Amino acid sequence: QQQVKQSPQSLIVQKGGISIINCAYENTAFDYFPWYQQFPGKGPALLIAIRPDVSEKKEGRFTISFNKSAKQFSLHIMDSQPGDSATYFCAALSGAGSYQLTFGKGTKLSVIP
Amino acid sequence: DTAVSQTPKYLVTQMGNDKSIKCEQNLGHDTMYWYKQDSKKFLKIMFSYNNKELIINETVPNRFSPKSPDKAHLNLHINSLELGDSAVYFCASSPLLGGEQYFGPGTRLTVT
Repeated sequence: QQQVKQSPQSLIVQKGGISIINCAYENTAFDYFPWYQQFPGKGPALLIAIRPDVSEKKEGRFTISFNKSAKQFSLHIMDSQPGDSATYFCAALSGAGSYQLTFGKGTKLSVIP
Repeated sequence: DTAVSQTPKYLVTQMGNDKSIKCEQNLGHDTMYWYKQDSKKFLKIMFSYNNKELIINETVPNRFSPKSPDKAHLNLHINSLELGDSAVYFCASSPLLGGEQYFGPGTRLTVT
């Protein structure tokens, strides 16, 4: 049973456009939602994270929007650049229980000039 | 200085062999993890290790065993390697259980 569903699987965006990646979760015990960025041949790197007490968090061109009632969260990349081309993973963790991250299946983002 | 390092970066071996992957973190973190990333890029937790407490994902075969000689190291030992073990294995660490995780560069294991 996949506990974090991520879409789309792949995304092509024009340079300067907005990239949007969506995730939905099932476990209401999740209370920490990070996004990771992974370049080919590298390990995932933490990009931005949010806790359910806020509906939005912004860091530079990256914004997480969080909808607790819908059990959904999304990553918005403003002014997308070719250097943003990577695979993005959403994840969720419960502070009670195993404390283990559950990842979405990833979105391969390609930003074309 | 690399925060989380893994050796080797590539590992090619035959079925039935036993191999180990080493992981070291110099961040002073209390918790370390092993993840498996399959050919479809799906990341799955295998183990987390915190203050000598091991939490095992129930789907991990018992051929896999983590070994921690000290707080900065968590090695992964794999017995009787199978073709399906081919994947990229990532080590990660966090300052506490459930905290922000920092990943190593990965070890690509190929079993022939």
